[in-house]
Amino acid sequence: NAGVTQTPKFQVLKTGQSMTLQCAQDMNHNSMYWYRQDPGMGLRLIYYSASEGTTDKGEVPNGYNVSRLNKREFSLRLESAAPSQTSVYFCASSELGIWANEKLFFGSGTQLSVL
Amino acid sequence: GENVEQHPSTLSVQEGDSAVIKCTYSDSASNYFPWYKQELGKRPQLIIDIRSNVGEKKDQRIAVTLNKTAKHFSLHITETQPEDSAVYFCAAPDTGTASKLTFGTGTRLQVTL
Repeated sequence: NAGVTQTPKFQVLKTGQSMTLQCAQDMNHNSMYWYRQDPGMGLRLIYYSASEGTTDKGEVPNGYNVSRLNKREFSLRLESAAPSQTSVYFCASSELGIWANEKLFFGSGTQLSVL
Repeated sequence: GENVEQHPSTLSVQEGDSAVIKCTYSDSASNYFPWYKQELGKRPQLIIDIRSNVGEKKDQRIAVTLNKTAKHFSLHITETQPEDSAVYFCAAPDTGTASKLTFGTGTRLQVTL
């Protein structure tokens, strides 16, 4: 099992460009999440998908959109990148679902710089 | 929503000493408290968690204690080793519309020889 796979690992964008971060898990997990990590601010939830077919906003959703393409894949899109979106992005998944309060499995992260 | 505060932000201990990291939370309905470890350049990984029906949980050199009345929980690492050097995050669920985890801001632990 590969676990949670994120692509790309690194990306540099210019202000106003768009891009999609891809995430896939092979553990048959129900819930998937996108977090961003900034120095001194911990991990903040951007969007989550409690189950296939559903998505919802987290703590910092502005400037982002998501798609739960199927049970395995959950993508994060930046429509018009801004320097404030420079961050490390982590995708995560959990087995039973959003209410289960259980272990999160994280991907290896995407380091994004917006110039 | 849930507010999780974590202290200290940095902690330096000598190898063999103990380290303690503390977190407080605001949502009295929270019932699950995990700790994640993130080594430099790596992904966060769960090292221990505790549910509200117990006050303490141990796993070899690490332990977590929970005080629901005071709404705080702590991570204890004994006999620290250089490989314990990492950033540690506590978390607690925001039990609003869905039980989403809110993370603390992290503690950078440095174990010196």
